Amino acid sequence: EAGVAQSPRYKIIEKRQSVAFWCNPISGHATLYWYQQILGQGPKLLIQFQNNGVVDDSQLPKDRFSAERLKGVDSTLKIQPAKLEDSAVYLCASSPLAGGRSDTQYFGPGTRLTVL
Amino acid sequence: AQSVTQLGSHVSVSEGALVLLRCNYSSSVPPYLFWYVQYPNQGLQLLLKYTSAATLVKGINGFEAEFKKSETSFHLTKPSAHMSDAAEYFCAVTMGTGRRALTFGSGTRLQVQP
Repeated sequence: EAGVAQSPRYKIIEKRQSVAFWCNPISGHATLYWYQQILGQGPKLLIQFQNNGVVDDSQLPKDRFSAERLKGVDSTLKIQPAKLEDSAVYLCASSPLAGGRSDTQYFGPGTRLTVL
Repeated sequence: AQSVTQLGSHVSVSEGALVLLRCNYSSSVPPYLFWYVQYPNQGLQLLLKYTSAATLVKGINGFEAEFKKSETSFHLTKPSAHMSDAAEYFCAVTMGTGRRALTFGSGTRLQVQP
């Protein structure tokens, strides 16, 4: 079974530029998450989708971050414009719909963003 | 609100020695607790999880963790460390009812000395 795919793996941009990350979850997984992991910290949730609807985006900086999940499968996370403090690893995870809070989340390899 | 505290950002052990990584949680509802491992330049991989069944949970690669409600702890242990165990370890708890996103601790980097 293929895992969670993310691209690109690395991205370097200058502040005020735009950037987009792509995630393809495990086939059949209804729930998709985007986490931000700043160096030296644990991942922090940015947004959670169930199918193509948003369940939780309370920690997403909506003035610059946006995300969508078209057709309930792939997802794109965008930052526009980027700030220095956005330098981090962006992790995508997916989990099956059934099981609720005990569901295992499966993580992709992440995209490492460096903002200069 | 749920939170997780991992004591010790760095732990160093000798190969063959006991591994003990500490995790304490705070939760207003019965928690579901997870340990994930992260190798360099890779995503997180589930080691084990507690879902209110047995309090002693066995995971992959010889790791296990014990849920202790009275101590609000979920420490990760392995009897004998191997060089390949060197990685970053994260304890996590799910949020409140209806929300499945994980709240992570700040992580513990495990070094294994030959």
